Amino acid sequence: AQKITQTQPGMFVQEKEAVTLDCTYDTSDQSYGLFWYKQPSSGEMIFLIYQGSYDEQNATEGRYSLNFQKARKSANLVISASQLGDSAMYFCAMSAWDGATNKLIFGTGTLLAVQP
Amino acid sequence: DGGITQSPKYLFRKEGQNVTLSCEQNLNHDAMYWYRQDPGQGLRLIYYSQIVNDFQKGDIAEGYSVSREKKESFPLTVTSAQKNPTAFYLCASSLTENTEAFFGQGTRLTVV
Repeated sequence: AQKITQTQPGMFVQEKEAVTLDCTYDTSDQSYGLFWYKQPSSGEMIFLIYQGSYDEQNATEGRYSLNFQKARKSANLVISASQLGDSAMYFCAMSAWDGATNKLIFGTGTLLAVQP
Repeated sequence: DGGITQSPKYLFRKEGQNVTLSCEQNLNHDAMYWYRQDPGQGLRLIYYSQIVNDFQKGDIAEGYSVSREKKESFPLTVTSAQKNPTAFYLCASSLTENTEAFFGQGTRLTVV
């Protein structure tokens, strides 16, 4: 069965420092996609970054990069130069084939607090 | 402007009543999803649909029902069989399995 695991319920980081949010996944499918989303206290979901299972390079989007280690089934999000506005809930997600169609599942999230 | 719209933003219902949450998208996306989020929790998949007139149960489908009669619309009904329906409900759509999902603003349902 497909599963996303985020083991860090909460994280603190100092402003301007880098932080890594952990994500491991489980799927038997060879073709899948991994996503990270940010959810501020307002509740909206903001897409951050995508990594395809066949992509050899780690994805990067501005201050966000995805540390993709396929053999370890991990897809950690790295935020460089943290800003106060980065304080939010962060979700890792995976799109994978469930035998009949694709489904998109999420982890339990990591609450990031950026301290001045 | 293209996007995904959920309505209403806040909904109150009495226990034992069915309630339908609306989700409409004009992005021409094939895939649509419904999630439930409880305070401090992740998103749990209720139902999903990849094409019109076809949908699958997610991890917590009991007490919920959906329909997909049009590509643009994927309404979710919370039935009286759902034991703990008070939650934040999010609808999403995506073009393919390899593109990001776009989310609505969510509906916060309170059952009293």
